[in-house]
Amino acid sequence: NAGVTQTPKFRILKIGQSMTLQCTQDMNHNYMYWYRQDPGMGLKLIYYSVGAGITDKGEVPNGYNVSRSTTEDFPLRLELAAPSQTSVYFCASSYPSEPQHFGDGTRLSIL
Amino acid sequence: DQQVKQNSPSLSVQEGRISILNCDYTNSMFDYFLWYKKYPAEGPTFLISISSIKDKNEDGRFTVFLNKSAKHLSLHIVPSQPGDSAVYFCAASGEGGSEKLVFGKGTKLTVNP
Repeated sequence: NAGVTQTPKFRILKIGQSMTLQCTQDMNHNYMYWYRQDPGMGLKLIYYSVGAGITDKGEVPNGYNVSRSTTEDFPLRLELAAPSQTSVYFCASSYPSEPQHFGDGTRLSIL
Repeated sequence: DQQVKQNSPSLSVQEGRISILNCDYTNSMFDYFLWYKKYPAEGPTFLISISSIKDKNEDGRFTVFLNKSAKHLSLHIVPSQPGDSAVYFCAASGEGGSEKLVFGKGTKLTVNP
């Protein structure tokens, strides 16, 4: 029972590079989410999706893109990495109006 | 501006005693509140929730109290155990849905044996 799986667990990027953070869930949840957590802060919502083909912005979407082609997968794309995007990224999924289940995070450093 | 505030960054209690973690919110449209627990290098894990139509919800050792007039909620853990040592996040959402959660900064609880 894997739940929400995020890859990679750690990554170091150079300024201006691009990368995709992967997230997959095996619970058949309709809803999926991306959050970032900066040191000493709470989680902030970047993007979310209520189903395949449907995505919407959260509180801090600038500098990121998402897509949702399947129920299981919700990748997060950084096109031009900036130092301000150094953070821990969490993916989550849920049924509508149910608590969200989180992955273990991707720790991303941009130097 | 923080819509969900956890004003105590840390709390230390003795094993067997009660732990009380507090959370305040400013947005009167919030109607669903959750507590998540987080261990280092892991994702947050759902602990307990409460809807604004209730003022109390219990699940084993965990009880959440909601005071809507004061825009305040609290999580009580009785009795506290060393395995409860973690960071606890309060989160809130509005309009009856669980998406678009707004999180507090968290309170680090340490339960001493």
